[in-house]
Amino acid sequence: EIVMTQSPATLSVSPGERATLSCRASQSVSSNLAWYQQKPGQAPRLLIYGASTRATGIPARFSGSGSGTEFTLTISSLQSEDFAVYYCQQYNNWSYSFGQGTKLEIK
Amino acid sequence: EVQLVQSGAEVKKPGESLKISCKGSGYSFTSYWIGWVRQMPGKGLEWMGIIYPGDSDTRYSPSFQGQVTISADKSISTAYLQWSSLKASDTAMYYCARLRGAGSSWHYWGQGTLVTVSS
Repeated sequence: EIVMTQSPATLSVSPGERATLSCRASQSVSSNLAWYQQKPGQAPRLLIYGASTRATGIPARFSGSGSGTEFTLTISSLQSEDFAVYYCQQYNNWSYSFGQGTKLEIK
Repeated sequence: EVQLVQSGAEVKKPGESLKISCKGSGYSFTSYWIGWVRQMPGKGLEWMGIIYPGDSDTRYSPSFQGQVTISADKSISTAYLQWSSLKASDTAMYYCARLRGAGSSWHYWGQGTLVTVSS
């Protein structure tokens, strides 16, 4: 099974600043990579799929990049509602493993 | 509007059986894969398995193969996740989600079903 590793585990950023979250796959997943946001008490919400395509209704401040084994989620100017836990997920060859998550907290 | 509505919270004893559900609406239920995810208290997301309701083709995560059964009843647009003998370690929130397509990202999510297993 492909192992997804996210870093850092916790990221402290001030509102209005940029946040950069990383995700690494144990083997190449091409561009088969999604990012999800989860707030306390809520289901996950899809942000990015295909490594860089924003899902419907996702603000342009969210962007994804990367391919192969290294991926990045960037939030260009943090809003109060963006503080949450973020998960990456690979979907390659009938496997759908998630990273362990990055908690984005207010600095 | 695509919606996935899950069954309500459950409290069970170790050794009991359980079947939770996920009802899809607003799309062709038989044309999209549905997946299940476990989230243990305070922990991350773990994919359990997926099913294609059109023909009940099912794929399991190696971590959950043999531990749970995923099924679907296309006549009522509902997918299921079941256990034959619950353990305390099955205590978790369980989410269903609809995939965008075969081998794809998980685009629409249910609200979750909390399962508590305690003696």
